[in-house]
Amino acid sequence: EPEVTQTPSHQVTQMGQEVILRCVPISNHLYFYWYRQILGQKVEFLVSFYNNEISEKSEIFDDQFSVERPDGSNFTLKIRSTKLEDSAMYFCASKQDSYEQYFGPGTRLTVT
Amino acid sequence: GNSVTQMEGPVTLSEEAFLTINCTYTATGYPSLFWYVQYPGEGLQLLLKATKADDKGSNKGFEATYRKETTSFHLEKGSVQVSDSAVYFCALSGLPGANSKLTFGKGITLSVRP
Repeated sequence: EPEVTQTPSHQVTQMGQEVILRCVPISNHLYFYWYRQILGQKVEFLVSFYNNEISEKSEIFDDQFSVERPDGSNFTLKIRSTKLEDSAMYFCASKQDSYEQYFGPGTRLTVT
Repeated sequence: GNSVTQMEGPVTLSEEAFLTINCTYTATGYPSLFWYVQYPGEGLQLLLKATKADDKGSNKGFEATYRKETTSFHLEKGSVQVSDSAVYFCALSGLPGANSKLTFGKGITLSVRP
């Protein structure tokens, strides 16, 4: 069964460094999403992406964040200059044209 | 804006016990409602969904009914198993399409003892 994959599973970085979180959505899906979950808090929407552009973003998704689909298979989330408060589990999701979003296993980002 | 509220956890039950996990929502219009489950070390998986009022979603012995009058979507299972131990998230989304982001509740950890 096709699945969404994410790499790495755990990333540790120092404050101020750039990180890129990678996702490979399911191949025939059209809509792509990033969510995050700070430990003990809700899963929060960051951004949705369709037809090679951002379709919606939350207020969390400020100028420090960017997304890209560089080669038609990967979907990346870049944080330009990480802060301590960016430490969280980041989930990628994709969907075709139904209601269901399929999620990856997540990347745990730890900013020290 | 939209929001989802789940009962506080964690929940610990013995095998074969009855499970109820409460979920209420606030939304404009007619949202679709979902329960996602996350098993240890895995991603979020859709457990069940309901797209309109009075719909009942069901899967793997779990069920939830979309109650517009009480803005609720409580998850129930008549007899839980150890393998049901996981984190359960209630969520909602607006109309399908590019902007159908999910709004999640906080999640609740269920542990089932043998």
